[in-house]
Amino acid sequence: GAGVSQTPSNKVTEKGKYVELRCDPISGHTALYWYRQSLGQGPEFLIYFQGTGAADDSGLPNDRFFAVRPEGSVSTLKIQRTERGDSAVYLCASSLTSAREQFFGPGTRLTVL
Amino acid sequence: ILNVEQSPQSLHVQEGDSTNFTCSFPSSNFYALHWYRWETAKSPEALFVMTLNGDEKKKGRISATLNTKEGYSYLYIKGSQPEDSATYLCAFYDDYKLSFGAGTTVTVRA
Repeated sequence: GAGVSQTPSNKVTEKGKYVELRCDPISGHTALYWYRQSLGQGPEFLIYFQGTGAADDSGLPNDRFFAVRPEGSVSTLKIQRTERGDSAVYLCASSLTSAREQFFGPGTRLTVL
Repeated sequence: ILNVEQSPQSLHVQEGDSTNFTCSFPSSNFYALHWYRWETAKSPEALFVMTLNGDEKKKGRISATLNTKEGYSYLYIKGSQPEDSATYLCAFYDDYKLSFGAGTTVTVRA
């Protein structure tokens, strides 16, 4: 079966631009997570969805970051007015429920010039 | 913020040699520890989910042990092969989210 997919795989943008990163979870997985891995660090939690609602967005760094999951499946992470410090690999994961193993996508590498 | 640490940060291993590395995590409020293998340009692949103190799990030539009382886990690779080259991440399960260490990058030299 298909795993978690993320698009684009690479995104290069200029400082100040808006970007959207997409995540397609495994079919039937109700829980969806976004993590961010900056250079030299482990992935850091950003936001957790249970169904359509964001159950915990405490990891979002500031109000330039926003994520949606309108139909409880595909999720989009949106970053406004990008800054060079936003450059990182953005990982998406899904799980059958919040208590189960998380399956990761290959990530989107975002570079802000 | 949970403190999950991995050491060493990187290591080089000769093909055929065995190696191991460490993950340390908070010993209180333990629920589960996850190990992932992450190869470049691929998805992190789940290796083990460890829940019980004294647990030992094995997958092929890779095995892991868990000590929840002292807050550490070891990952072992026996007879390293070039395909074992990857970054190995451990993650502490904190309610529904994972708190990751920075990883140990293993390079196996032929």
